[in-house]
Amino acid sequence: GIQVEQSPPDLILQEGANSTLRCNFSDSVNNLQWFHQNPWGQLINLFYIPSGTKQNGRLSATTVATERYSLLYISSSQTTDSGVYFCAVLPYSTGANNLFFGTGTRLTVIP
Amino acid sequence: DAGVIQSPRHEVTEMGQEVTLRCKPISGHDYLFWYRQTMMRGLELLIYFNNNVPIDDSGMPEDRFSAKMPNASFSTLKIQPSEPRDSAVYFCASSLALAAPGANVLTFGAGSRLTVL
Repeated sequence: GIQVEQSPPDLILQEGANSTLRCNFSDSVNNLQWFHQNPWGQLINLFYIPSGTKQNGRLSATTVATERYSLLYISSSQTTDSGVYFCAVLPYSTGANNLFFGTGTRLTVIP
Repeated sequence: DAGVIQSPRHEVTEMGQEVTLRCKPISGHDYLFWYRQTMMRGLELLIYFNNNVPIDDSGMPEDRFSAKMPNASFSTLKIQPSEPRDSAVYFCASSLALAAPGANVLTFGAGSRLTVL
C-alpha cells in the first residue's frame, strides 16, 4: 500500500516562530488533506490540497503532486497551534475511498 | 449542520462487558468511517460504509468487533466481549466521495474514549 511519511515527528517552537511540516507519499494521489488534532483530541480538517497552494490565515499548504510531497507552513505560531498534525492521502491506484494517514508531527508551542 | 455526532463521549466498562458506540454522520454524506486511535498504533481505519453497505472491514481486529449502519443517519460499533486492549479513542467520520473532483473532505466526530478495566 501507499506509504505516507511525515517529518519531523516532534517539533518544539517558541511562540511567534515559523515552521514547516512535510508529508511525503509513495504513490500518485487524488485527494490530500491536512488535519490538526488539538490537545483535547479533536481532529479538524485544515486543508484539502491534492495540488497547488492554499492559505488560511497564518497557515498555508503546498502540494507538489509530481514530486509526491506536501508542506504545511505555520507562521507566527501560537500556543493554540499545539497538537498533532496529520497528512492523509487517497491514492489513485486503489479505487477505494479511504484516506491513508501519516503518523503525524507533534507540535508544541511554548510561550 | 451539527457535524458528526458520536456518543458516548466517555465509556468506562469492565472486561467482558458489551460496548456499543454510536454515530450520526453529516446529512447527505454517503460514506461513513470508523477509526481507532491508540498511542501505540496511531490512527487505524476499522471499517467504512458507502450508502449503508460495508465496503472494507479489513481493519476490524477480530470477531469481537462488529459494525452496522441500518440507515443513512446512524451507525454503531459494537465490541462484545470487551477486553482491556480495546481501550482507545474511537472516531467516526463521514464524507462524500473522496475521489470525486472538488473539495470533498473527511469530517470527524469528537470521538468516544473507551476504557476497559
